Amino acid sequence: DQQVKQNSPSLSVQEGRISILNCDYTNSMFDYFLWYKKYPAEGPTFLISISSIKDKNEDGRFTVFLNKSAKHLSLHIVPSQPGDSAVYFCAATPSGAGSYQLTFGKGTKLSVIP
Amino acid sequence: ETGVTQSPTHLIKTRGQQVTLRCSSQSGHNTVSWYQQALGQGPQFIFQYYREEENGRGNFPPRFSGLQFPNYSSELNVNALELDDSALYLCASSYQEAGELFFGEGSRLTVL
Repeated sequence: DQQVKQNSPSLSVQEGRISILNCDYTNSMFDYFLWYKKYPAEGPTFLISISSIKDKNEDGRFTVFLNKSAKHLSLHIVPSQPGDSAVYFCAATPSGAGSYQLTFGKGTKLSVIP
Repeated sequence: ETGVTQSPTHLIKTRGQQVTLRCSSQSGHNTVSWYQQALGQGPQFIFQYYREEENGRGNFPPRFSGLQFPNYSSELNVNALELDDSALYLCASSYQEAGELFFGEGSRLTVL
């Protein structure tokens, strides 16, 4: 039973255009959401997060949108750069659990074409 | 500032054997979490250690066990290895149990 789903295994985008990565979740207890980026042979690195009390969070070129009623979030990267090519993982956790027990999606491999 | 380091980076074991993976947390961090990432999957939470005590466990059998030491480094032990244990094992450290996770590069275990 996948509680966090990333239905697009891969995405290709032209440099300078917008990249939109999608994520759906099923567990209503999740109220804190994170995006991680992973390059080959490296561990995941934290990118951006959003709490369920917000519907949008921005950090430079990265914006995460949360639609609680649809249990859907998306990561927008504008403008996309070749260095953004990586696997992006969506993760979720109930913030009241007392610890970060992240549930990850399977990831979306983003390729930004120069 | 030293990041999270894991050892060994790669290892091969046979079914039924035991393995110990090691993790040094980032300086100033007192919490360590372990995740298993099978091929084509996202990382799956195994357990977390905070101040040397287990502080949360995912859906893994008891043959997966861990330790955290006074210097906050940690070990993951897996007994009676099965073929399905083949995966990348990721260690992440954080300051406090609900803090941002910083991941190491992982230990890739192959069970034959």
